[in-house]
Amino acid sequence: SQKIEQNSEALNIQEGKTATLTCNYTNYSPAYLQWYRQDPGRGPVFLLLIRENEKEKRKERLKVTFDTTLKQSLFHITASQPADSATYLCALVDSGGYQKVTFGIGTKLQVIP
Amino acid sequence: DTEVTQTPKHLVMGMTNKKSLKCEQHMGHRAMYWYKQKAKKPPELMFVYSYEKLSINESVPSRFSPECPNSSLLNLHLHALQPEDSALYLCASSQDLRQGKVRNSPLHFGNGTRLTVT
Repeated sequence: SQKIEQNSEALNIQEGKTATLTCNYTNYSPAYLQWYRQDPGRGPVFLLLIRENEKEKRKERLKVTFDTTLKQSLFHITASQPADSATYLCALVDSGGYQKVTFGIGTKLQVIP
Repeated sequence: DTEVTQTPKHLVMGMTNKKSLKCEQHMGHRAMYWYKQKAKKPPELMFVYSYEKLSINESVPSRFSPECPNSSLLNLHLHALQPEDSALYLCASSQDLRQGKVRNSPLHFGNGTRLTVT
């Protein structure tokens, strides 16, 4: 069966450090992978997208890597700030179903001042 | 504030009630979605509309009835719900993704309707 796995345990890091979140998947042929941020009681907000043929994407303090051999994406936040504290969701769009976006459970990040 | 507006923000309803959730977007998107999210779980896809036509129904019980009256509006009609249907209901929109026209369109979510069924 298809699975998207993220570390559901919270990740606590010190302000100023780099946070690294992991997304692993099985039985998908993703056309592309997306990362979203979700704050409590609010809808997810899109952050970054990376295509199947891209290795790395950057946007300001954010970086995403995508390894289709390992079936893994890493999401990095450099120089983390308390305002980065949120749950980060990985989402896959399978190559067979462009309209179907499937989410992982998310990793809760807590940046400690 | 998001560009996708959902009303109401909160809704409490009994199991015999009929209610509707509403969603509106003015970004010109032609794909609209309903997701359901329970606490500490990921959003789960319920329905997808593309150009006002239902294109995906993820085997959702018939007590949930979607409607897309025009390209900007999406409704979810609720009838005879169960307490386990209590959740955050999220609406989203995106550029239409059919036939590979737009291959990298992210979802734009509203902030959801928090539904409690008593």
